[in-house]
Amino acid sequence: DTEVTQTPKHLVMGMTNKKSLKCEQHMGHRAMYWYKQKAKKPPELMFVYSYEKLSINESVPSRFSPECPNSSLLNLHLHALQPEDSALYLCASSPHWGTGNTIYFGEGSWLTVV
Amino acid sequence: AQSVTQLDSQVPVFEEAPVELRCNYSSSVSVYLFWYVQYPNQGLQLLLKYLSGSTLVESINGFEAEFNKSQTSFHLRKPSVHISDTAEYFCAVSPSNAGGTSYGKLTFGQGTILTVHP
Repeated sequence: DTEVTQTPKHLVMGMTNKKSLKCEQHMGHRAMYWYKQKAKKPPELMFVYSYEKLSINESVPSRFSPECPNSSLLNLHLHALQPEDSALYLCASSPHWGTGNTIYFGEGSWLTVV
Repeated sequence: AQSVTQLDSQVPVFEEAPVELRCNYSSSVSVYLFWYVQYPNQGLQLLLKYLSGSTLVESINGFEAEFNKSQTSFHLRKPSVHISDTAEYFCAVSPSNAGGTSYGKLTFGQGTILTVHP
């Protein structure tokens, strides 16, 4: 069982909607991540938070807005998305941000933009 | 920068047969190596990793991988597969040194779908 919990598991939203994806971990990890995975492709890194501060933004469009309210929670706010943004969004965490750390993934949120 | 090549996009095998999933990488710096598994409609789970020490690493469910620095490979093997091993397997690398634009980032291969037939 994964210790990174993501909600909702499935989300369908229109292009004018505002929605959020939520992620929670209680492993005491201080690094949290958002990845995007398209069908039959590997995950692609979007954002990294380290000690609740945004450390990496992989040139993600501003219609995706991450938020880290505390060390256990990570949100991804979605607004004015496009159909090509439909994908599996994976949250992950690791003890710290850095090399060699095992990254633990959640089961993902399936997003469909209509 | 790093890159990972998984040489086979799909590998079909029969139950109890051996399997090898191939992974080669390219990097200008030393790297750590990982294999992740993704079961259908699930997230990724770490299968095993190589950081240092013995070049042969093992997982709890019978998989093993060997780091070969001269061939820049990290192939995954299992001597006898089960139906439950059907999944997609991703090889990944991250730089082992601090600093640089790739610091802390995992670079994934394209994945290999292992299908075990009865």
